[in-house]
Amino acid sequence: DTGVSQNPRHKITKRGQNVTFRCDPISEHNRLYWYRQTLGQGPEFLTYFQNEAQLEKSRLLSDRFSAERPKGSFSTLEIQRTEQGDSAMYLCASSSPGGERGTQYFGPGTRLTVL
Amino acid sequence: DQQVKQNSPSLSVQEGRISILNCDYTNSMFDYFLWYKKYPAEGPTFLISISSIKDKNEDGRFTVFLNKSAKHLSLHIVPSQPGDSAVYFCAAVTSGTYKYIFGTGTRLKVLA
Repeated sequence: DTGVSQNPRHKITKRGQNVTFRCDPISEHNRLYWYRQTLGQGPEFLTYFQNEAQLEKSRLLSDRFSAERPKGSFSTLEIQRTEQGDSAMYLCASSSPGGERGTQYFGPGTRLTVL
Repeated sequence: DQQVKQNSPSLSVQEGRISILNCDYTNSMFDYFLWYKKYPAEGPTFLISISSIKDKNEDGRFTVFLNKSAKHLSLHIVPSQPGDSAVYFCAAVTSGTYKYIFGTGTRLKVLA
């Protein structure tokens, strides 16, 4: 299966700890997105990469959050000094420039629980 | 501010009947709209989209209608099947950006 993969699938951490999530997009996709989803809400846009360049960033992405895509392939999302409000599902998606506009392929997500 | 709204959190429909899911938006700069379906423990899956230059787009059992003056779009599923039971999200985006704004979702249950 060559879909979008995310690791870990679940992460439980204590408040104040740092966590890092990884996303591996579909190999030929140069566009990569991170979203956060809380219970009863839709995905909230966090950031967008085209190749290795981070081109858009939401105000939701506070200075405790950082995302990278160093070689234009996989991406990492790091949350420093986690807070209980960071508990959510973190979704990654990728898309191809040649594909139908907006056709993002989502990974299964990483569920973060901050105790 | 919730720029994309799905005011019905849930909907139940009998198998074989039509399901109509609604979505409203407030930002007139949005010019591309999408519907995604989400099953439990999976990421959303793209269903169908529509550009603001159109008022209808059809793909098999799925049709999306766009009413720009009312800032309203709807997804019609005909006929509804039990496998369509999922949470449906509408999303919108403005040309030149990649910031997709999602609604809160509508949980569809198709009863056999």
